[in-house]
Amino acid sequence: DTEVTQTPKHLVMGMTNKKSLKCEQHMGHRAMYWYKQKAKKPPELMFVYSYEKLSINESVPSRFSPECPNSSLLNLHLHALQPEDSALYLCASSLDPLPRNTIYFGEGSWLTVV
Amino acid sequence: TQLLEQSPQFLSIQEGENLTVYCNSSSVFSSLQWYRQEPGEGPVLLVTVVTGGEVKKLKRLTFQFGDARKDSSLHITAAQPGDTGLYLCAGDPLKSNYKLTFGKGTLLTVNP
Repeated sequence: DTEVTQTPKHLVMGMTNKKSLKCEQHMGHRAMYWYKQKAKKPPELMFVYSYEKLSINESVPSRFSPECPNSSLLNLHLHALQPEDSALYLCASSLDPLPRNTIYFGEGSWLTVV
Repeated sequence: TQLLEQSPQFLSIQEGENLTVYCNSSSVFSSLQWYRQEPGEGPVLLVTVVTGGEVKKLKRLTFQFGDARKDSSLHITAAQPGDTGLYLCAGDPLKSNYKLTFGKGTLLTVNP
């Protein structure tokens, strides 16, 4: 079973709201990722967690705040977003951090900021 | 910077035709993944190739990894409307930097 589960599937939020995206995997994977994807473009890496510790932040604005409560869960807290942040947010995991590990993606959370 | 040049960017064909998508780089990758993505959904893994010269088949899809592990191709035989989607190649770098290198994607439309 190579399943990464994301909730919610769709989220509409105002620019003053605080919301969270959630991600869960029960494959025993030790690396988890957040990606942002705009329509018809490849995913862009935002954050990498390795063994529950933040290992990479790709210069993401502080209005995006990741959290890894345990080895199976990954959250992305959202606050004071801008309309240009509207995108598909993808969670992913791999058994271990790259290299030599396959990344499995969740179905994504489609975020619209109004 | 490790770049993956993916081509073609757009492809519209009729049902039953064959097609090939290419991913090329000047960098060596320890492995390369191919994903298929439908609008509003996450990328679904099709295959991972790890050995230079490797060929993998998944029904009507054939994947090749170049001998030097710098390039890969995806060939679809007798395309069907259900094959429509965005195809992404992604290289796993030889040196660890936690980042997949993605091609820009090939948007395939198979018309009935």
